[in-house]
Amino acid sequence: DGGITQSPKYLFRKEGQNVTLSCEQNLNHDAMYWYRQDPGQGLRLIYYSQIVNDFQKGDIAEGYSVSREKKESFPLTVTSAQKNPTAFYLCASPPYFGEGSWLTVV
Amino acid sequence: AQSVTQPDIHITVSEGASLELRCNYSYGATPYLFWYVQSPGQGLQLLLKYFSGDTLVQGIKGFEAEFKRSQSSFNLRKPSVHWSDAAEYFCAVGAGTASKLTFGTGTRLQVTL
Repeated sequence: DGGITQSPKYLFRKEGQNVTLSCEQNLNHDAMYWYRQDPGQGLRLIYYSQIVNDFQKGDIAEGYSVSREKKESFPLTVTSAQKNPTAFYLCASPPYFGEGSWLTVV
Repeated sequence: AQSVTQPDIHITVSEGASLELRCNYSYGATPYLFWYVQSPGQGLQLLLKYFSGDTLVQGIKGFEAEFKRSQSSFNLRKPSVHWSDAAEYFCAVGAGTASKLTFGTGTRLQVTL
């Protein structure tokens, strides 16, 4: 739905490595969100941003970081501090979502 | 705090049968309510949303939902299910169109031929 592009679709992370998931939107929306989805689970909020250069922690922010330098971009970095990063990551610019990114630890 | 309950984890219906997926919410003010559908390994697609006005909301793919404030419910319905409707369905509540959403745990719909 809408114009939200997430990349890559699949990503593998080695132990101790930081990885960055990209999220770009062309909807001219101010708000952008990152959610995590584990198999068979609902969505949990990681970080969100209501305006450029500002963002807030969600319910499960530990081990993640974000930036919002441009209105259309909201990248998520999964740091080595995140002990269980294997999950499906969804970016949203409400009410629309991207197609998601799968992250697996190898 | 806002919350969403989807009581049915898994529902199986025959193709051509009617469908109702239940959603109950807890929210202190006037809620903004959403239904999404997710196919395996895909993102969430917006089916419909309710902000105000007519309590019966029409969405895409032949779905509709009815907002009942007295019951704190926003159930999703479809008169005749197609095999392609098999997916996971999520109900969500928020404070506005751009606000953070709280999701239910989802209902997995299986359609038998």
